[in-house]
Amino acid sequence: EAGVVQSPRYKIIEKKQPVAFWCNPISGHNTLYWYLQNLGQGPELLIRYENEEAVDDSQLPKDRFSAERLKGVDSTLKIQPAELGDSAVYLCASSAFTNEQYFGPGTRLTVT
Amino acid sequence: QQQVKQSPQSLIVQKGGISIINCAYENTAFDYFPWYQQFPGKGPALLIAIRPDVSEKKEGRFTISFNKSAKQFSLHIMDSQPGDSATYFCAASHSGGSNYKLTFGKGTLLTVNP
Repeated sequence: EAGVVQSPRYKIIEKKQPVAFWCNPISGHNTLYWYLQNLGQGPELLIRYENEEAVDDSQLPKDRFSAERLKGVDSTLKIQPAELGDSAVYLCASSAFTNEQYFGPGTRLTVT
Repeated sequence: QQQVKQSPQSLIVQKGGISIINCAYENTAFDYFPWYQQFPGKGPALLIAIRPDVSEKKEGRFTISFNKSAKQFSLHIMDSQPGDSATYFCAASHSGGSNYKLTFGKGTLLTVNP
């Protein structure tokens, strides 16, 4: 069974530029999560989807971050414009009606 | 407010020894406590998890001990191996209003010397 797929794995952009991350969850998983992981820290939830509905986006900085999950499968997280402080690893996870969350490899973003 | 406190921040163990990582939580509504293992450049991988209706769960060399009254749980790695060297995160969630939202500890960097 394929795991959570994320792309790109690495991204380097200049500040004020836009960037987008893509996630394909495990097949059949209805819940999708985007987490932010800063260096030396645990992941922090940005947004959670149940099917195509964002049910928890309280930690998403909505002035510059946006996300979508069309058709309840793949998801895209966007930052526009990026700031230096956005440099981090962006993790996608998925689960199927349980607490068990399975993470993808993440996208390491560097903003210069 | 840090809801899950993890210690130690780093741990060095000799091959064959026992690694012990501790976590304490504050929210009594938490009802699911997983441990994740993360290698450099990889995403966290679910290692083992426990619910508060049991005090211990063992899977191979990995054991979770859970103390509900003290609001603490710990990961024990028996016969630690160099391949266990990684960062370990405890986490907690509940099935209430914020269904399945994981709150993570800050992680423990484990080094197992050969």
